[in-house]
Amino acid sequence: ELKVEQNPLFLSMQEGKNYTIYCNYSTTSDRLYWYRQDPGKSLESLFVLLSNGAVKQEGRLMASLDTKARLSTLHITAAVHDLSATYFCAVDPRGWRSGNTGKLIFGQGTTLQVKP
Amino acid sequence: DVKVTQSSRYLVKRTGEKVFLECVQDMDHENMFWYRQDPGLGLRLIYFSYDVKMKEKGDIPEGYSVSREKKERFSLILESASTNQTSMYLCASSLTAQGGIAKNIQYFGAGTRLSVL
Repeated sequence: ELKVEQNPLFLSMQEGKNYTIYCNYSTTSDRLYWYRQDPGKSLESLFVLLSNGAVKQEGRLMASLDTKARLSTLHITAAVHDLSATYFCAVDPRGWRSGNTGKLIFGQGTTLQVKP
Repeated sequence: DVKVTQSSRYLVKRTGEKVFLECVQDMDHENMFWYRQDPGLGLRLIYFSYDVKMKEKGDIPEGYSVSREKKERFSLILESASTNQTSMYLCASSLTAQGGIAKNIQYFGAGTRLSVL
């Protein structure tokens, strides 16, 4: 069974600090997704990582993928209050080579609280 | 922009009622999904559909059924609502990834918060 585990599940940090959210998964995959969910709202796509070594950055967020270690990280640089949200990673269990129905497996989510 | 529309933001139903949750997407996506989201449990897949009239069970299909008669619409049905089905329900859609052409990103609706009393 494919499992996707995020660590930590809850993170409270001060503005201006750096931190990393980890996403581990239990089977081979070359596609990983990061989503953001604001309180009371739905999920929005942040990053799509499509190969080993892929790195994507937007503003203070940077995501990377190591398919050999089955690990993705979401790094937060100099956090600001606006980044407070829940962040989900999701893994494509089959990848594009075998064709698939689009099913993704989601982690539990990491709730980030940035304090002024 | 991709738009995934869920018919209701909030619903209150009584135990034993038959409940329909509707989802419509406007981007001609083949794949559609229903999840429920509960605190501490993340998103759990209930059912998904990769084509009209096709459906597959997800991780927690018990107590639910689905219908996809048209490509743009995917309905989740609670045959006889129970209190343990009180949850946030999220619908999503995506393009089929073939040969790496599409990125397989799922686009989500705003969610329906269902309370079963």
